[in-house]
Amino acid sequence: QKEVEQNSGPLSVPEGAIASLNCTYSDRVSQSFFWYRQYSGKSPELIMSIYSNGDKEDGRFTAQLNKASQYVSLLIRDSQPSDSATYLCAAPSYNQGGKLIFGQGTELSVKP
Amino acid sequence: DTGVSQDPRHKITKRGQNVTFRCDPISEHNRLYWYRQTLGQGPEFLTYFQNEAQLEKSRLLSNRFSAERPKGSFSTLEIQRTEQGDSAMYLCASSLLIGNEQFFGPGTRLTVL
Repeated sequence: QKEVEQNSGPLSVPEGAIASLNCTYSDRVSQSFFWYRQYSGKSPELIMSIYSNGDKEDGRFTAQLNKASQYVSLLIRDSQPSDSATYLCAAPSYNQGGKLIFGQGTELSVKP
Repeated sequence: DTGVSQDPRHKITKRGQNVTFRCDPISEHNRLYWYRQTLGQGPEFLTYFQNEAQLEKSRLLSNRFSAERPKGSFSTLEIQRTEQGDSAMYLCASSLLIGNEQFFGPGTRLTVL
């Protein structure tokens, strides 16, 4: 199992819907998780971090962490076409400093 | 602009040439990271510095790659004798000593012909 895994998508949702992006992880990462948004040709932009079990909300974004299931997700409410991007899940490597291990990213397309 | 900056933004070179990239982190950040990203993949870790000390290097970082952070501020990444497989986006990120939130610069896109 890879340390951090995501479905590559693409995930297509209509404008105004909830987009749900998922990520699973192995025991080889520390249990802090980061969601980055990456527009085509641009660099990753940090949008959410989550460190403890449960939900964390920030505007239209909600990150959910379930340590028992080794599962982290990002929900985007009221999706907008401007949310169309690749979403990267990342976690620090366990016992190896602060380097981040990234999933391959999920491409989200929000259709008007 | 107080974010991470990288220079150049784009670099086209011929196979066998040497290239050097620069990264200026957010000013109060102690840690600086280099990653490489190819199309359709997430960033892959290359190396990181805590202040001026290089603490870890990935096995991806062959002996053609070298990185420095001489005064604990900006960093350079040099690739010697470039190969076509080196074509990628080279990303720099920085973070505070405590905590793992990393902020990325705009990247340097390298094309090796």
